[in-house]
Amino acid sequence: QVQLVQSGSELKTPGASVKVSCKASGYTFISSAINWVRQAPGQGLEWMGWINTNTGNPTYAQGFTGRFVFSLDTSVSTAYLQISRLKAEDTAIYYCARDPPSGWQFDDWGQGTLVTVSS
Amino acid sequence: QSALTQPRSVSGSPGQSVTISCTGTNNDVGAYNYVSWYQQHPGKAPKLMIYDVTKRPSGVPDHFSGSKSGNTASLTISGLQAEDEADYYCCSYAGSSFYVFGTGTKVTVL
Repeated sequence: QVQLVQSGSELKTPGASVKVSCKASGYTFISSAINWVRQAPGQGLEWMGWINTNTGNPTYAQGFTGRFVFSLDTSVSTAYLQISRLKAEDTAIYYCARDPPSGWQFDDWGQGTLVTVSS
Repeated sequence: QSALTQPRSVSGSPGQSVTISCTGTNNDVGAYNYVSWYQQHPGKAPKLMIYDVTKRPSGVPDHFSGSKSGNTASLTISGLQAEDEADYYCCSYAGSSFYVFGTGTKVTVL
């Protein structure tokens, strides 16, 4: 069965960087895009963008350009989200989600990674 | 891209039906039949409930249904059950490989 397993919670100070991983299994990794979704404490879901796992080409939503980088290591079927120059308002749960080939929805989700930014 | 508009909360008694609206624009909900709905229980990851406006993934109970008219999509939960109490989010494809989520609706079973 399809599984997306994310790395554990992170506590960072403002200005630091963080890298969240999302390891996929149960399907051919390069056949499905990986999306990233943010959920701030007590708030709704916010689509951050996606990465083409076949080409490595990322697409970023408005508000997620500059400090946010999506990357891949296809040899271990893993997608990464790196956030640099962290701010308190980056405190959130970050989810990875798979959208299937020729699909326009997010079929499978990781369990989420809580990133806390605090001095 | 602005978030799609959903009511903050809806409620109903067990066995009743509730409908959640999701209002977008001619550039997202109104332009594509690619609206999906997600259920999120507290502390859990979202779960796909409806895709392509009306389709249910395998394993999703058939008392969940979706529809769309113009720029507004809807999720109806018929025969409300205690386990349906959760947050629900719509999501629409918005063109050029972009997506937008709704503001989210808390469903309470009275």
